[in-house]
Amino acid sequence: GAVVSQHPSWVICKSGTSVKIECRSLDFQATTMFWYRQFPKQSLMLMATSNEGSKATYEQGVEKDKFLINHASLTLSTLTVTSAHPEDSSFYICSARWTRTLSYNEQFFGPGTRLTVL
Amino acid sequence: KNQVEQSPQSLIILEGKNCTLQCNYTVSPFSNLRWYKQDTGRGPVSLTIMTFSENTKSNGRYTATLDADTKQSSLHITASQLSDSASYICVVQGGSQGNLIFGKGTKLSVKP
Repeated sequence: GAVVSQHPSWVICKSGTSVKIECRSLDFQATTMFWYRQFPKQSLMLMATSNEGSKATYEQGVEKDKFLINHASLTLSTLTVTSAHPEDSSFYICSARWTRTLSYNEQFFGPGTRLTVL
Repeated sequence: KNQVEQSPQSLIILEGKNCTLQCNYTVSPFSNLRWYKQDTGRGPVSLTIMTFSENTKSNGRYTATLDADTKQSSLHITASQLSDSASYICVVQGGSQGNLIFGKGTKLSVKP
């Protein structure tokens, strides 16, 4: 299957700093990438959807000025958590969608990034 | 409201035994139902995807069923292995936006 990578796999930062997480589709071109957040023992929660070359669409309750998403190419999307606070500590997962001529669009998930804000 | 409910929340079985995980959903319109395996600290990995017209699909020791009339799905794991220990997440794609709607998962522990 298609491979999606994330970098870094884990990061620890001080409160008030910004953290950038990269999501790459390694062997296919992703028309759309998604960013999710997962708290312990909870479901994945969609934060935003981004299409290459256009602004991201954020879910209700997600601050677009705090979670900056850039999708500059068909293989790379970045999520920047600005002025991070301890409550932003979570597991961030991206996925990439490869549009095909089937009745559904497959999404491939990255391995996730564990963010801990001290 | 579009929802996906899974049961049980957690399950402990002995290695070699079979188990069945359940998923009920209220998502409209329905596009497809997926089962994912998520190891601790990792991203979800797809096991099966079923559309409305499919009522069973297998992937090795994993067999998923779908009853679109009752809006229920199950994931059956045969001859469990220690490496099957993970969270199994039922996901339905649908709704007006065609988004993925995630269940909370069933945490499976396989003991030797």
